[in-house]
Amino acid sequence: GAVVSQHPSWVICKSGTSVKIECRSLDFQATTMFWYRQFPKQSLMLMATSNEGSKATYEQGVEKDKFLINHASLTLSTLTVTSAHPEDSSFYICSAPERSGREKLFFGSGTQLSVL
Amino acid sequence: GQNIDQPTEMTATEGAIVQINCTYQTSGFNGLFWYQQHAGEAPTFLSYNVLDGLEEKGRFSSFLSRSKGYSYLLLKELQMKDSASYLCAVRISGNTPLVFGKGTRLSVIA
Repeated sequence: GAVVSQHPSWVICKSGTSVKIECRSLDFQATTMFWYRQFPKQSLMLMATSNEGSKATYEQGVEKDKFLINHASLTLSTLTVTSAHPEDSSFYICSAPERSGREKLFFGSGTQLSVL
Repeated sequence: GQNIDQPTEMTATEGAIVQINCTYQTSGFNGLFWYQQHAGEAPTFLSYNVLDGLEEKGRFSSFLSRSKGYSYLLLKELQMKDSASYLCAVRISGNTPLVFGKGTRLSVIA
């Protein structure tokens, strides 16, 4: 089946630094990727929709200048958390829809971000 | 807004059957998905329903009633490894991203 690769799996950084998370579709082309955030014992909350070759669409309440999304190719989308703060500590996960008709989402392995 | 409800926690015995319910009130409907998620890991796809009825896949079955805005996931012959969170998600329309419920944490005990 389709595979979405995400890295790093975990990152610890100091407050004020920026962190880049990469999401790659390994055996299919993903014109669209979705970025979710999940706090402990909470649901997956959609942050933004990444579109290849165009600007990302952000959900209400998500700061586009803080969470920079780049989808430069059909297989790579990146999320950069700029000037990270402790409240940004969360599990970030990307996903891409399959193209077989059932349109289920394939998820990356997730990135646990801890900001000190 | 979109509303997807499922129980927060459930406990069941190894070898038993458990049913996890999900109700939804959404502005549109283009499919309901169930995912399994172990702590700290990515969700893995379990099932997809877009028409009313029961979809069976091994030990897992999923049911949908669109008129009632209701679905359930049925897990048979429970195993300890089934202890995880089970996420109900709805696609509102077309190729829009999934909207997830808060998940049901299932604990399987001996």
